[in-house]
Amino acid sequence: NAGVTQTPKFRVLKTGQSMTLLCAQDMNHEYMYWYRQDPGMGLRLIHYSVGEGTTAKGEVPDGYNVSRLKKQNFLLGLESAAPSQTSVYFCASSYPPPTQYFGPGTRLLVL
Amino acid sequence: SQELEQSPQSLIVQEGKNLTINCTSSKTLYGLYWYKQKYGEGLIFLMMLQKGGEEKSHEKITAKLDEKKQQSSLHITASQPSHAGIYLCGADGEEQTGANNLFFGTGTRLTVIP
Repeated sequence: NAGVTQTPKFRVLKTGQSMTLLCAQDMNHEYMYWYRQDPGMGLRLIHYSVGEGTTAKGEVPDGYNVSRLKKQNFLLGLESAAPSQTSVYFCASSYPPPTQYFGPGTRLLVL
Repeated sequence: SQELEQSPQSLIVQEGKNLTINCTSSKTLYGLYWYKQKYGEGLIFLMMLQKGGEEKSHEKITAKLDEKKQQSSLHITASQPSHAGIYLCGADGEEQTGANNLFFGTGTRLTVIP
């Protein structure tokens, strides 16, 4: 039982490039979340999903898109990366709420 | 939106000392969660508090939610180097979407000196 896993662990992008972050959970959780963590800002919710095929916006959704085609996977996409998107990205899952289980994080640097 | 303020922002203690971290909300807390984050790693769930006056303990860590449900404290007794990390409090969002969208404080960085 791996819990919540994230790939990649670290990535460097140039401004304007695109990429997809993958989150996978093997706990059969219905709910999944993407957060970003920045110094002095804490964790902020980007997008979340309450089930397969559903997504919703969180606190800071601009510049990101998500998809939940399979229950166990939640993808976060950056279509045109900007330096402001340099951050550590965390995925989490829960079912039922409230306890969320977090992945190890993806460090993204946009130059 | 709900704001959570944590104090102190950082804390350095000698091994064996007790310490307290506070989390204060600008609004009523419908659910308060404490997480620990080791440097460079993900968050580990510690405890959840929902009722005013509630107190929970796990090993040497005790968390309390005040009667007014606007402040929580995390107390560590006889701290050990293994307690080092970043402690974050999170709270249920004001809008009850059913998805348990958490708002987080900025964290308290704890260093324990052997």
